[in-house]
Formats: sequence, structure tokens, C-alpha cells
Amino acid sequence: KAGVTQTPRYLIKTRGQQVTLSCSPISGHRSVSWYQQTPGQGLQFLFEYFSETQRNKGNFPGRFSGRQFSNSRSEMNVSTLELGDSALYLCASTIGGMWNTEAFFGQGTRLTVV
Amino acid sequence: GENVEQHPSTLSVQEGDSAVIKCTYSDSASNYFPWYKQELGKRPQLIIDIRSNVGEKKDQRIAVTLNKTAKHFSLHITETQPEDSAVYFCAANDRLTFGQGTILTVHP
Repeated sequence: KAGVTQTPRYLIKTRGQQVTLSCSPISGHRSVSWYQQTPGQGLQFLFEYFSETQRNKGNFPGRFSGRQFSNSRSEMNVSTLELGDSALYLCASTIGGMWNTEAFFGQGTRLTVV
Repeated sequence: GENVEQHPSTLSVQEGDSAVIKCTYSDSASNYFPWYKQELGKRPQLIIDIRSNVGEKKDQRIAVTLNKTAKHFSLHITETQPEDSAVYFCAANDRLTFGQGTILTVHP
């Protein structure tokens, strides 16, 4: 079956713009989480969605938001981009509860803010 | 929330040597501890995990040990090979909090 798919793979944006990233989980997976990966900072948890509801949120400013659709696909939005938002954004899906089963990651979206 | 500390941040070994990466966690309620491997330019993938009801788990050349009392767990790779070179992340299941990662380099 198809893995987790993220689009687009690469993005270049200008400071102050906004961006929307998409994540399609594995079929049947209802939980989608988002992570920001930067060198030296590892994987920082952004938020998790389950059945269209945000269940958990990390310590990121309100410029970072997300949503999940009825087909479990999820989008992440970053408004008023800053240079420091340049990173690899990964999403991961699991069948149900996020925290005690294998998480399957997408390839990520590489965002560059100039 | 959970806090996961991972050491070392970089590890360089010769092919055939063993490699050990250690993680500590803060939340005693955590009960699932996965390890992910991320090769250069690729997505993180689960290589082994352990639940709090066992102390050790092995899968061929890799093993994970868990000490619940001390709240730490370790990844052990024996007979390392160049293809083991990657970034390794530990995690605990409070919002799947990840450690900072260890860059493992195996020299032929």
C-alpha cells in the first residue's frame, strides 16, 4: 500500500508570506502528526490531529496551524514566514493513538525562507 | 511534558565495532520507546522499539535495553557496517518526543 505522501517536496518562500503543506497518510491511518526538523534541533513536535480534531500541540507560535480533513489528509499552514522557519517539515501517521505504535513518516517538505 | 535527552550527538566507529547510543526520559508514565534511523535525504524509519514491560529486545545486530528505574534506554549496534551510517533518534511516547539525534559514522 502507498506510504505517507507529502507535497510539495520543496518550497522557496519570501519572508512575510504564508505557506501550506499537505500530508496524505497511509490508508486507514487516522492520526497525523507534524514535526519540524532542523540541524541540531532534532525533531520538534508541532501538533497532532486525529479524526479532524487537534489532540496535542507543541510549543510553536500561533503562526503555525493545521487541520485535518474527513479523509485523514492533513494540511499545515505557516503564516508571516520568518527566516528561522526554514526547515524540513515531516508528517507521520499511525493507525490510531499516536504514542504507542509505529509512526510512518513522509519524505518531508523542505521549506526555504529567503 | 516529556523530555528526552540523547547522547552522544556524534559517534564515529570502525567497521565491525559496536556502537551504543543512550537516552534518558523524564516522564515515568512513558511506556513505549522507539528508535528511528534516518539516512541522508530520507525519511525516519523505525528500526526497533521496546515497551516498558520488557527490559531488552534484540533484532539481529541491533538491540535495545530499558531501565525503567533509572529512566534510560539504549540502542546497541554490533558488528557495525558502513550502511549503518545515519542519524538515529530515540523517542518516548509522550507526544512521541524525540531526542536530539546521534550522527553515527561507520568507517570502512
